[in-house]
Amino acid sequence: QKEVEQNSGPLSVPEGAIASLNCTYSDRGSQSFFWYRQYSGKSPELIMSIYSNGDKEDGRFTAQLNKASQYVSLLIRDSQPSDSATYLCAFRGPGGYNKLIFGAGTRLAVHP
Amino acid sequence: DGGITQSPKYLFRKEGQNVTLSCEQNLNHDAMYWYRQDPGQGLRLIYYSQIVNDFQKGDIAEGYSVSREKKESFPLTVTSAQKNPTAFYLCASSPQGTGVAGELFFGEGSRLTVL
Repeated sequence: QKEVEQNSGPLSVPEGAIASLNCTYSDRGSQSFFWYRQYSGKSPELIMSIYSNGDKEDGRFTAQLNKASQYVSLLIRDSQPSDSATYLCAFRGPGGYNKLIFGAGTRLAVHP
Repeated sequence: DGGITQSPKYLFRKEGQNVTLSCEQNLNHDAMYWYRQDPGQGLRLIYYSQIVNDFQKGDIAEGYSVSREKKESFPLTVTSAQKNPTAFYLCASSPQGTGVAGELFFGEGSRLTVL
């Protein structure tokens, strides 16, 4: 079993719709979760971090965490073509060090 | 402006040659990291360093070496022992290496192609 599972996509949504991206992880002890956005050929940039169960909202983005189910998701409201990118889910690995373990990413395509 | 600078952005290497990728940060971060990304795969950790003069192997350290002589700098050498070196290499830093997890800040990456 992979440490982080994401659907590779592409996930295609129309402009203005809600995009829902999902991620499951294997380490029950992990406390810290992140969503990074990566445009083609560019480096990842952090868009959301979440540490507690429940929802965390930041503008058009909402991260949802369910530690019991080992599941984290990202909702993008009012999707725009500029949101088209690969979204990487990551969690802090074991060992007490600030190492992140990344999923392979979900490619999102927002069409006009 | 504060940030992480990686160089070169693109690099071509012949088989059997070592190559060193540069990573410099002026964010005053303690921890620095090297990740490798292959098409369709997630980022995989090569090496990381929590403080100066200390570093640890990540998940795929074979064929790579690093040094951390200065807080600002964490160069990565891809040696001829690395069997499949063609990849996108990403350097990152974070304010601290342990304790409460912080975000990683990435450089723009270096794309290495072995001919």
